[in-house]
Amino acid sequence: SQTIHQWPATLVQPVGSPLSLECTVEGTSNPNLYWYRQAAGRGLQLLFYSVGIGQISSEVPQNLSASRPQDRQFILSSKKLLLSDSGFYLCAWSEEGNQPQHFGDGTRLSIL
Amino acid sequence: AQSVTQPDIHITVSEGASLELRCNYSYGATPYLFWYVQSPGQGLQLLLKYFSGDTLVQGIKGFEAEFKRSQSSFNLRKPSVHWSDAAEYFCAVRQLGFGNEKLTFGTGTRLTIIP
Repeated sequence: SQTIHQWPATLVQPVGSPLSLECTVEGTSNPNLYWYRQAAGRGLQLLFYSVGIGQISSEVPQNLSASRPQDRQFILSSKKLLLSDSGFYLCAWSEEGNQPQHFGDGTRLSIL
Repeated sequence: AQSVTQPDIHITVSEGASLELRCNYSYGATPYLFWYVQSPGQGLQLLLKYFSGDTLVQGIKGFEAEFKRSQSSFNLRKPSVHWSDAAEYFCAVRQLGFGNEKLTFGTGTRLTIIP
């Protein structure tokens, strides 16, 4: 069966420091991959999605970037974190076609 | 552009009582609709989905939802809630985009269960 892993679960970083959050999927090939941010008391905002290796689409202008170096690996990065980057970050995957998205357990990012 | 509205931010229900969470969508084409549940500090778990066919769909944990095109609604129901159902619930509609299928989420409904 397919599984999705996100790490770390919790991260506290100072303003201006870099960021790297990793997400990997097992048990499937060529999945669609997604990064979401969930601010407190709000819904989910799609940040990036990828339909294949090296193919990244950005949904909103921001201080973050994403990369997909391998088929089942999706990385969320920043060179310099801002206070506004705090939030709960969720990775998700889906198969092509009429298939739902499946989510990881998320990373709680706090910027000090 | 598509949108999803969950008009109830917070609902409190007694254990054993019935539940209905509202969801309204705005989408020009045939919608693909989903309900997800999120426990505190966790990711989202898929409860059920509607693609086509029977407008009453059954999901996990005893939940069901009914698609009503005339009302642009996809309300989630459960006949008798359990304390473990306390969580945040999100309705989502899928947008068909080039090469991918993006989800638009509602802002969620937080469900509290009282004894």
